[in-house]
Amino acid sequence: QKEVEQNSGPLSVPEGAIASLNCTYSDRGSQSFFWYRQYSGKSPELIMFIYSNGDKEDGRFTAQLNKASQYVSLLIRDSQPSDSATYLCAAGGGGNKLVFGAGTILRVKS
Amino acid sequence: ETGVTQTPRHLVMGMTNKKSLKCEQHLGHNAMYWYKQSAKKPLELMFVYSLEERVENNSVPSRFSPECPNSSHLFLHLHTLQPEDSALYLCASSPSGGGTDTQYFGPGTRLTVL
Repeated sequence: QKEVEQNSGPLSVPEGAIASLNCTYSDRGSQSFFWYRQYSGKSPELIMFIYSNGDKEDGRFTAQLNKASQYVSLLIRDSQPSDSATYLCAAGGGGNKLVFGAGTILRVKS
Repeated sequence: ETGVTQTPRHLVMGMTNKKSLKCEQHLGHNAMYWYKQSAKKPLELMFVYSLEERVENNSVPSRFSPECPNSSHLFLHLHTLQPEDSALYLCASSPSGGGTDTQYFGPGTRLTVL
């Protein structure tokens, strides 16, 4: 069973701080990794994807991938109350599907 | 505004009803997906279509019946559902249907089965 594990949270951080969200995956064949943000009652929206080991930065967001440890993370710098949402990690590889984690709830307190 | 639309946005139905969910993508993608999202659970993949051909069916009960008439439209036909089928049903599309593709989601249909 291919799985993606995330801490359900909630993760609470003060406004302006760095939020660190983590994810582990079980399938060593996974090649692509995605972070989606989902506001309550809304659908997931893509934040970032990463394919290669190391860091990938996009604005306030940095995705980090360590394939040896089967670990993916998302850092959000200068966290804002509007970043409060559930963050879904997903891993994809061969075949037709992504495997999603259950998500981590992030709360940014002003 | 998303390039993937879904109707209806909310649906309440009895266990004996028949209804259909509709999804349309305006992104020129070749693959479309149905997911079920229940509270505090990971997204559950239900069906995958690539170039209008079903390529994945994750042991979904037969009371859910998908239809993909073309690469832009996807339907989910519902009949004799159970209360535990109440959930958010999400449609997604991706360029080619490969496992490394980015998937783009529609707004979802919130389904309540009484």
